[in-house]
Amino acid sequence: DAGVIQSPRHEVTEMGQEVTLRCKPISGHNSLFWYRQTMMRGLELLIYFNNNVPIDDSGMPEDRFSAKMPNASFSTLKIQPSEPRDSAVYFCASSFSGGTGRNEQFFGPGTRLTVL
Amino acid sequence: TQLLEQSPQFLSIQEGENLTVYCNSSSVFSSLQWYRQEPGEGPVLLVTVVTGGEVKKLKRLTFQFGDARKDSSLHITAAQPGDTGLYLCAGAFEETSGSRLTFGEGTQLTVNP
Repeated sequence: DAGVIQSPRHEVTEMGQEVTLRCKPISGHNSLFWYRQTMMRGLELLIYFNNNVPIDDSGMPEDRFSAKMPNASFSTLKIQPSEPRDSAVYFCASSFSGGTGRNEQFFGPGTRLTVL
Repeated sequence: TQLLEQSPQFLSIQEGENLTVYCNSSSVFSSLQWYRQEPGEGPVLLVTVVTGGEVKKLKRLTFQFGDARKDSSLHITAAQPGDTGLYLCAGAFEETSGSRLTFGEGTQLTVNP
C-alpha cells in the first residue's frame, strides 16, 4: 500500500493568498484527521472525518480554515486568506475505525507551509 | 479537558545508555500508541497497547501499559544514534467516543555517538 499521500510537500506563499492542501488516505480507512505541528504548540488536531462526515472541527483555528472530504479517497484543507502565523507543518492521518478500539493512525509525510 | 503528560521533554544521552520516557494521564485509556517522528517526516506508529499491565517489546524498545490503563512507559536499552527522534505517546480516552487520539507534547531524544 502507498500509505497516506499528501501534496504539496512544500508550499511557500504570500500573506493573503489562498492555500489548498491535499490528502489521499490509505485505501479502506474510514477516518481521516488533519493536524498542525509547530515547535511552540506541538501536534494539534484541527478536524477529523468519519465516513467522509466531519465529526469534530473544534480545533480549526478560525473561519479562514475549512476542510472537505468529498469522497473516501480525498480530502482538502484550505486556508483563505493565509497569514504568517499559519506557517507550520500540516499532517494528514487516516485510520480504520472498526470497533476494535485500537485507534491506530497512519500519517502522511506532511506539507510544510511557509506564509511570508 | 483530558490531558496527557509526557516526560521528559528533552533527553540527550550517549550511545549505549538506557533511557525511559513516561506518559501519564488522570483518565483511563481504551488504547495507547507510541510513535517516533524523524525530521521532515510524519510520525510512524511503533506499538499499540490496549490491556492493563501489557508489555510489548520491539528489539531494544520495551513498552509497558499501566495496570489501571492511565500511564505508559517506553524503555530503550543500549541506545544508538539511530534512535534519535521525537517520541510521541497518543491515547484514546475511554470516556471519549469516536476515533480521535490525544497526543503528548513529545520527547525529543538525541543519542550522541
